[in-house]
Amino acid sequence: EAGVAQSPRYKIIEKRQSVAFWCNPISGHATLYWYQQILGQGPKLLIQFQNNGVVDDSQLPKDRFSAERLKGVDSTLKIQPAKLEDSAVYLCASSFPRTSGRANTGELFFGEGSRLTVL
Amino acid sequence: DQQVKQNSPSLSVQEGRISILNCDYTNSMFDYFLWYKKYPAEGPTFLISISSIKDKNEDGRFTVFLNKSAKHLSLHIVPSQPGDSAVYFCAAGYNFNKFYFGSGTKLNVKP
Repeated sequence: EAGVAQSPRYKIIEKRQSVAFWCNPISGHATLYWYQQILGQGPKLLIQFQNNGVVDDSQLPKDRFSAERLKGVDSTLKIQPAKLEDSAVYLCASSFPRTSGRANTGELFFGEGSRLTVL
Repeated sequence: DQQVKQNSPSLSVQEGRISILNCDYTNSMFDYFLWYKKYPAEGPTFLISISSIKDKNEDGRFTVFLNKSAKHLSLHIVPSQPGDSAVYFCAAGYNFNKFYFGSGTKLNVKP
């Protein structure tokens, strides 16, 4: 089974530029998450999708961050304009929803992440 | 607000001994807890989970203990192996949603 795919793996931009990250979750996973992990900290949830609907985006800085999951499969996360403090690893994760009726451990499956450096 | 805390940034253990990683949480609504392991330049990988209806879950060398009254969980690794050296994150959520992660504990298992 293919895992969560993310691209690009690394991106270096200057502040005020824009950047986009792409994520393709595991096939059949209806729930998709974007996390931001700053160096030395734990992952922080930015946005959670259930199919193509937003479940939670309370910690997404909406003045500069946007995310979409138009067809309920892959997703993009965009930052425009970027700030120095946006330097982080952006992790995408997916899982089966609890209402799927499928027995699972509730785990989130993570991709390898996209490392952003803002200069 | 930091709802999940891992107060030990690092832990060093001799190979073959027990590793105990701790995690505290503040939200009594959390009903599901996960432990993840992360190697450099890789995404976190799932280790073990526990539901709030249990106080212990075991999987091979890994055991997670949950103390709801203290809002505390711990991960025990016995025996520890050099390959276990990684950063360990605990996470907590409710209704399988909105998982909050701790800041991680870097475990070093010395041969």
